[in-house]
Amino acid sequence: SQTIHQWPATLVQPVGSPLSLECTVEGTSNPNLYWYRQAAGRGLQLLFYSVGIGQISSEVPQNLSASRPQDRQFILSSKKLLLSDSGFYLCAWSTGAYEKLFFGSGTQLSVL
Amino acid sequence: LAKTTQPISMDSYEGQEVNITCSHNNIATNDYITWYQQFPSQGPRFIIQGYKTKVTNEVASLFIPADRKSSTLSLPRVSLSDTAVYYCLVGVGNTPLVFGKGTRLSVIA
Repeated sequence: SQTIHQWPATLVQPVGSPLSLECTVEGTSNPNLYWYRQAAGRGLQLLFYSVGIGQISSEVPQNLSASRPQDRQFILSSKKLLLSDSGFYLCAWSTGAYEKLFFGSGTQLSVL
Repeated sequence: LAKTTQPISMDSYEGQEVNITCSHNNIATNDYITWYQQFPSQGPRFIIQGYKTKVTNEVASLFIPADRKSSTLSLPRVSLSDTAVYYCLVGVGNTPLVFGKGTRLSVIA
């Protein structure tokens, strides 16, 4: 069966520090991968999605970036975090057909 | 991408049937309608998906009229554990899905 791993679960970082969040999927090949962010009390904002290795589409301009170095690995990064980067970050995958999304457990990021 | 409109919040008593309606007036021919449930501090969880008429699974039913410009998620006999945010999404294939603000359902004892 397919599983998605996302870590860390919680993270507290100072403003201006770098960020790296990692997500891996097991049990499937060539998944579509997604990064979403949810600010406190808000809906989910799509940040990046990828349909294959090295193929990244950005939905919202910001100081975050994403990379897909391997088929089932998706990384969210920042060189310098801002206070506004705080939020709940969710990684998700789908097979691409009719877009049934499967989400990871999320990372709660607090930038202080 | 088809835009969706849902009520911001709903309240219900335990044991009642809850119907949440979503409007998607510009749905495309190939679009499917998918509903997700999200509990606090968790990722959304797939509930049900449909294209037309009616779909039923062990958790919910989805009613889609012939013109497909709206859909209704029906939760039978809700319990306190059904308190969550429910999202309606419309899309197909590799198009990334955009979540709206969802409907916050509060179930009261």
